[in-house]
Amino acid sequence: EAGVVQSPRYKIIEKKQPVAFWCNPISGHNTLYWYLQNLGQGPELLIRYENEEAVDDSQLPKDRFSAERLKGVDSTLKIQPAELGDSAVYLCASSLGAGHANNEQFFGPGTRLTVL
Amino acid sequence: QKEVEQDPGPLSVPEGAIVSLNCTYSNSAFQYFMWYRQYSRKGPELLMYTYSSGNKEDGRFTAQVDKSSKYISLFIRDSQPSDSATYLCAMSSNTGNQFYFGTGTSLTVIP
Repeated sequence: EAGVVQSPRYKIIEKKQPVAFWCNPISGHNTLYWYLQNLGQGPELLIRYENEEAVDDSQLPKDRFSAERLKGVDSTLKIQPAELGDSAVYLCASSLGAGHANNEQFFGPGTRLTVL
Repeated sequence: QKEVEQDPGPLSVPEGAIVSLNCTYSNSAFQYFMWYRQYSRKGPELLMYTYSSGNKEDGRFTAQVDKSSKYISLFIRDSQPSDSATYLCAMSSNTGNQFYFGTGTSLTVIP
């Protein structure tokens, strides 16, 4: 069974440029998460989807960040414009969904963003 | 104060040693406690998953939860060089899917 797929794995851009990350969750997983992980820190939730609905986006900086999960499967996270402080690893995770006794989150390998 | 506190290390031990990793937390609503392992340039992978207080053992790994002290531990017996990674604790409440992660502890097991 394929795990969570993310692309690209690495991205280098100049500040003020736009950037987009893509995530394909594990088949059958209704819940999808985007996390931000800075060097030496644990993942911090940006947004959580239940199917196509964003149910928790309180930590998403909405002035420059946006996300979508149009058909309740794969998702994109966009930053426009990028700032130097956005350099980090962006992790996508998926789980079966709320109500499941073992709601384990499976993580993708992440996209490492460098903003110059 | 952060929801979850974890000593970042780094921690370096000889092969075969017993490793103890710990986290403390402040939110008494946390009921689910997890330990993730993250290798360099990889995503975190779940090691242990515990509900409420008590111990759970899986091979060389033992997770302990002491809710009265708001303290959780992961013990690794007979540590191996392949255990070298960053270990993240994570917690969530009964009602939601919000996971709160520690900063991670970097572990190196020296052959």
